[in-house]
Amino acid sequence: ELKVEQNPLFLSMQEGKNYTIYCNYSTTSDRLYWYRQDPGKSLESLFVLLSNGAVKQEGRLMASLDTKARLSTLHITAAVHDLSATYFCAVDKNTDKLIFGTGTRLQVFP
Amino acid sequence: EAGVAQSPRYKIIEKRQSVAFWCNPISGHATLYWYQQILGQGPKLLIQFQNNGVVDDSQLPKDRFSAERLKGVDSTLKIQPAKLEDSAVYLCASSSGTVGETQYFGPGTRLLVL
Repeated sequence: ELKVEQNPLFLSMQEGKNYTIYCNYSTTSDRLYWYRQDPGKSLESLFVLLSNGAVKQEGRLMASLDTKARLSTLHITAAVHDLSATYFCAVDKNTDKLIFGTGTRLQVFP
Repeated sequence: EAGVAQSPRYKIIEKRQSVAFWCNPISGHATLYWYQQILGQGPKLLIQFQNNGVVDDSQLPKDRFSAERLKGVDSTLKIQPAKLEDSAVYLCASSSGTVGETQYFGPGTRLLVL
């Protein structure tokens, strides 16, 4: 059974600092997705990573995928308050069925 | 382009009552998904449709949950009878079915079972 784990579960960070969220999964997959969820809102797609070594960047967020290590990272550069949200990674076992991680709740404070 | 539409947005019912949720996917999207998101957890897939056929319903509690997508467009998810543990947000998502394309999520229906 495919399992997806994220760490940390909670992250409180100061504005301007850098940090990385980790997403580990238990079986082989070449497709990994990152989503953002604001409180009481739905999920917003951030990145789609489709191959080993894929790297994508949007603003202060950068995501990468290492399929051999079964690991994806979401790096936050110079955090700002607007990035406060819960971030989910999800893995697709080539069936379009997404298995979501536990989520990382990020809070950015001044 | 209009997004995924869901209704109602909120629903409060008592246990053992029945409830239904509606979803209209993005126009042209062949694949439709229903997820259950319990507070503090990631979404869990309940059922996946490809056009009007079921692709995966392995996680759907079939003794109380049912879903249909009769004309391959909009879909309904029903719970009958509801239990306290069904309290969650029910998210509908759609995709074109192209390999590797992201799923687009609707705003969700927040269900509270008392």
